[in-house]
Amino acid sequence: EDKVVQSPLSLVVHEGDTVTLNCSYEVTNFRSLLWYKQEKKAPTFLFMLTSSGIEKKSGRLSSILDKKELFSILNITATQTGDSAIYLCAKTNDYKLSFGAGTTVTVRA
Amino acid sequence: DAGVIQSPRHEVTEMGQEVTLRCKPISGHDYLFWYRQTMMRGLELLIYFNNNVPIDDSGMPEDRFSAKMPNASFSTLKIQPSEPRDSAVYFCASSLLTGGYYTQYFGPGTRLTVL
Repeated sequence: EDKVVQSPLSLVVHEGDTVTLNCSYEVTNFRSLLWYKQEKKAPTFLFMLTSSGIEKKSGRLSSILDKKELFSILNITATQTGDSAIYLCAKTNDYKLSFGAGTTVTVRA
Repeated sequence: DAGVIQSPRHEVTEMGQEVTLRCKPISGHDYLFWYRQTMMRGLELLIYFNNNVPIDDSGMPEDRFSAKMPNASFSTLKIQPSEPRDSAVYFCASSLLTGGYYTQYFGPGTRLTVL
């Protein structure tokens, strides 16, 4: 079974802080790594990473992949209360996703 | 684009009853996935289809669970008989190959409670 491990499991920060979320995975049949944000509903797509060292950015969120060390990080700068959510990392084996347990981020005003 | 559509959004039933969850994937997407999410186990893949054909059902917990995809725009997940431990949020997702990679888009989920 494809293993994806996220850390920390949860964290609480104050508005304006920067958070870094970690995701490590097993190498078998790696195709790409995806990040999702889940609030109260369904996971919504954030990033897809396929190559090492190339940072993807969207506003205050950014992510990078290290295929040699088998991990990815998701950074959120200048956090806002609307960033409170579960952030899920998933490894793809072509079309099949294996999800990590997620990191619950709580941003306090 | 309406996105992935699921119904019902909430379902409360009694143990032993049959439950049917429905999904309409995004038009043109050729893969469809059913997931279950619980606090204890996170997001688990139950089954997925490619061009309406089931490819991998190894995640289906037991024979009480079955899924069908009679055409490209509709899929069902059925639980018969339901048990309290089936209580979870069930997500349907669809994806399409773009630029050599697949990205899955999730429906809003069905929250199932079995009493």
